[in-house]
Parts: sequence; C-alpha cells; structure tokens
Amino acid sequence: QSALTQPPSASGSPGQSVTISCTGTSSDVGGYNYVSWYQQYPGKAPKRMIYEVSKRPSGVPDRFSGSKSGNTASLTISGLQAEDEADYYCNSYAGSNNWVFGGGTKLTVL
Amino acid sequence: EVQLVESGGGLVQPGGSLRLSCAASGITFSNSWMHWVRQAPGKGLVWVSEINTDGRSTKYADSVKGRFTISRDNAKNMVYLQMNSLRAEDTAMYYCASNWDYSFDYWGQGTLATVSS
Repeated sequence: QSALTQPPSASGSPGQSVTISCTGTSSDVGGYNYVSWYQQYPGKAPKRMIYEVSKRPSGVPDRFSGSKSGNTASLTISGLQAEDEADYYCNSYAGSNNWVFGGGTKLTVL
Repeated sequence: EVQLVESGGGLVQPGGSLRLSCAASGITFSNSWMHWVRQAPGKGLVWVSEINTDGRSTKYADSVKGRFTISRDNAKNMVYLQMNSLRAEDTAMYYCASNWDYSFDYWGQGTLATVSS
C-alpha cells in the first residue's frame, strides 16, 4: 500500500483560506467516499476533523471543509487562525480492510 | 468521556518482543472495530493493524504481517498488539484508535516502542 501524496508544507496568513490536497489512486481515494482528515499538534494524538470526504464531527469548526474530485481529496481551512498551525494527515479506505494515510502536511500560519 | 489509554511500550533489542495494551472506556467497545496506527519519530502516520468487533477477523500492513498479532478482550474492554521479531524500523509511537464511519474517531495518547541495541 503506497502512501497518499500530500504537499509537505502549506501556509497562509490569518483570515485567509488554505487548501491541502491528498492524491491517491482509483483503488483508494477515487474508489471510495471514505476519506478522512486529521489534525495533529506536536507531541499530541491526532484528532479527526473530517470524515466521509466532507462530514464534520461535532465540535469541529465549520471553517474546516472537505471535498473530493477523482483521485484527489482536499481539505480547506477558511478564516485561518493561529491555532490551526499543525500537521494535517489524510486517510482513505483502500478496500479489503486496508487503510492508507498521506505523508502529512505541515501548516504554518504566517 | 471517551478514553483510550495505551501502555506496554519501552526499549527492546532487535529481535525482541513487546506487548502493547489499550484500555477503552466511554465507548461501546464490543461494537467498535479497533486499530493500531504508528508514527516513527518525525515521520507521518502509518496504519498497522485492524480487528473486528468479535476478534475473529484481523488485518495487517505488509510491513508487520507475520510478526505482529492484534487481539481483543471485550469483557475487559482491551485491545492488544503482540509485536515479535522487532526491528529498528519498528521504533515508533503506537496509537490505538477506534473506527466509526470508516474513520478513526477516537485516539489514545500513544505508547513509545524503541528497538535498539
């Protein structure tokens, strides 16, 4: 199982929007609507931010949104805040009870 | 409040074994598929293993197949990861996570396994 492809870094100024991409194949991202996104602060456990491509768990700000087109999923954070500075990981179901993560994107709020 | 608490990590020599444990509370454990995910120092998340609700079905990443065994005890709300024939590349923080709606909804704080001579 090859890792999903994410840009290593992304950045934006407070109040701006930033989009992080997650590219897989037709066997994972493109084949299932089971893409999820996780936020991780240094030394902390990951936290689920988006599931089933675009659904937000209770308590996650609506500034976070997800989408998918073909084999690429995206996480968009609008109205960027300093507290959004973290690492972000995508994950996709890959069939036959296999799961694959992206390599992670370090988001910097300028 | 949901809590997943891992334990059992430590320093072990190459070729050695460790047994990780994860205690769950605040969730209907017997209805939850459980997973182990690891993260090498400074690296990204990597899925390791999955177990279904009754423990009869398991799945492993190719990198650990044949060396790691996942199991669970629904009476104790516990999930385990037996790690044998450990290699330096198995050094990582190991997280247990529950799976709901095809995503990892709750995570523990992790337990660190270090394989080194």
